[in-house]
Amino acid sequence: AQKVTQAQTEISVVEKEDVTLDCVYETRDTTYYLFWYKQPPSGELVFLIRRNSFDEQNEISGRYSWNFQKSTSSFNFTITASQVVDSAVYFCALSEALGNTPLVFGKGTRLSVIA
Amino acid sequence: DVKVTQSSRYLVKRTGEKVFLECVQDMDHENMFWYRQDPGLGLRLIYFSYDVKMKEKGDIPEGYSVSREKKERFSLILESASTNQTSMYLCASSLMGVAYEQYFGPGTRLTVT
Repeated sequence: AQKVTQAQTEISVVEKEDVTLDCVYETRDTTYYLFWYKQPPSGELVFLIRRNSFDEQNEISGRYSWNFQKSTSSFNFTITASQVVDSAVYFCALSEALGNTPLVFGKGTRLSVIA
Repeated sequence: DVKVTQSSRYLVKRTGEKVFLECVQDMDHENMFWYRQDPGLGLRLIYFSYDVKMKEKGDIPEGYSVSREKKERFSLILESASTNQTSMYLCASSLMGVAYEQYFGPGTRLTVT
């Protein structure tokens, strides 16, 4: 069975600090996809990134970066120079690569960035 | 932009009432999903649908049913609301296929008293 673990329930940082959100996954599939979503206080989840299991290159988008390591089954998310607007709940999710199956979500990490 | 709308942001119902939560998407997506979100439990899938009149049970379907009569609309029904169904309900949609991203609505916070 597939499983996503986000061990950090809540994180609090001071503005401009860097912060890493951990995501560990379990799957028996050799081909799969990993996602990160952001849920700001308004409630609507926003898609951030999708990565397939064959692409282990790190991804950077502005202040956001993602580190995918198959050896440790992790897909961690780092925010550099955090800002108050980064305060949100962040979800990591996993999908099989066969068929039309729903995403499996982790329980989320609540990030609070304090000014 | 993909838009997923939900009929209410906040809803208060009484125990035993029949409750309808409506979700509409405007991007011709085949897949639609209903989740509930509770503190410490994350997102849990209730039902999903990959076509009109088709539905699949998710992880926690008990106490819920769904209806999809039109491609753009997916309804979640609580036949007899109970207090343990007080929660945030999130609707999402996606294209059919392998690992397309899901687009979410703003959520409905339901309180059952």
